Order: sequence, then structure tokens, then C-alpha cells
Amino acid sequence: AQKVTQAQTEISVVEKEDVTLDCVYETRDTTYYLFWYKQPPSGELVFLIRRNSFDEQNEISGRYSWNFQKSTSSFNFTITASQVVDSAVYFCALSEVRTGANNLFFGTGTRLTVIP
Amino acid sequence: EPEVTQTPSHQVTQMGQEVILRCVPISNHLYFYWYRQILGQKVEFLVSFYNNEISEKSEIFDDQFSVERPDGSNFTLKIRSTKLEDSAMYFCASSEASGTGGADTEAFFGQGTRLTVV
Repeated sequence: AQKVTQAQTEISVVEKEDVTLDCVYETRDTTYYLFWYKQPPSGELVFLIRRNSFDEQNEISGRYSWNFQKSTSSFNFTITASQVVDSAVYFCALSEVRTGANNLFFGTGTRLTVIP
Repeated sequence: EPEVTQTPSHQVTQMGQEVILRCVPISNHLYFYWYRQILGQKVEFLVSFYNNEISEKSEIFDDQFSVERPDGSNFTLKIRSTKLEDSAMYFCASSEASGTGGADTEAFFGQGTRLTVV
């Protein structure tokens, strides 16, 4: 069975600090996808990234970067130079191709508060 | 930019009543999903739907729940007899493909419908 663990329930940082959100996953499948979503106070789910299990290249998009390491089953998310607008709950999610690549299994989320 | 739209944004219903949550997926999408998020908790998969039938469903999706695509544009979630514990945010999502077999596609989520059962 799949499992996604986001051990950090809440994180607070001061604006402009860097912050890393941890995500550890479990799956028996060899083909799977990993995701990050942002949920701002308004409640919608904002897609940030999707990676497949065969692509371990790290990715950078502006202030966001992701570190995927299959050896440790982790898919961590780093925000550099954090801003107040980054305050949100961030969810890591996993899907297994076997059961449906868009049938997402979410972690419990990390609430990030960026203090001005 | 095309988006998934959900109506209503907030619905209050009495326990035991039937409720229908509506979603209009992105027009060229073929796969549809419902997720649920109880306040302060994680988002949970309910059901996926393709070609007018359920593809996968979770343990949460019991006989009280049903989904339907009544016409070419809407995708609905019906809860037959609501319980207090059905109070949650319900998210609809759609994708162009299932993402299986290497298809590079993602699911787009709607804004959600907050259901409050009193």
C-alpha cells in the first residue's frame, strides 16, 4: 500500500529565509508519480510539480526547487528567499500507475507561515 | 485558461438529506475525479471516472456515494443521505488522459465545494 509522510506539521520562517519541506513516500510499484500542491488560505489546490519515478533529475522553477532521491524515497521541496505569499499548506502526493496515475494519495500537509 | 468549475462554492444541508455537487471539467478532458478534504486534514481520493463508468474508488466511496456524467459537460457527485461526518471540502478534478503508459498529463483541480452537514 502507498504512504506519504510529511513529518513537518507546521513551519515558520522569516521572510527571505530558505525553507525545505520534507516528503517521504512508500510504494511497492516501480512506476509512480510524485506531486507537490499548494493550498493557500482561499482553499484551492494549486499544482506545483509532477515527477515520474524514472526521472530523478532535480528541478528548479524560479524560487522553487525539488530534490527527488529514490535511494531514500524522498521528494523534498525547497523555497528560497521565502515571501509572505508563500504562506500556505503544502501537500506532497503519490500516485501509482497501476491504480491510476491521477489517483493521488496525499500526505497530511505542512503548514508554512512566512513572517514578514 | 481553461479551468474546472464547481458549484456551489458552499452548501449547507441537513443530516439525512441528499446532496448533489456539480462540476464542469475542462472540455477536452476524459478522466474525472472527486476528492474530499475534511477540515484541517489531508486530501483523500474518492473516485475516478472514465468512459461513463467508475475506474477506481476508495474505501470512503461507499453505497451512499454515486457519480454521474448526465450530459456532455457536467460531472456530479451525489451523497444520498448525508451524515455529519460528510462535512468537508469536495474537490473535482479532470485530466486529458489517465497519465498511465507515460502519457504526460496532470489532473487539474476545481476550487472546491465546501459541504456543511448540520
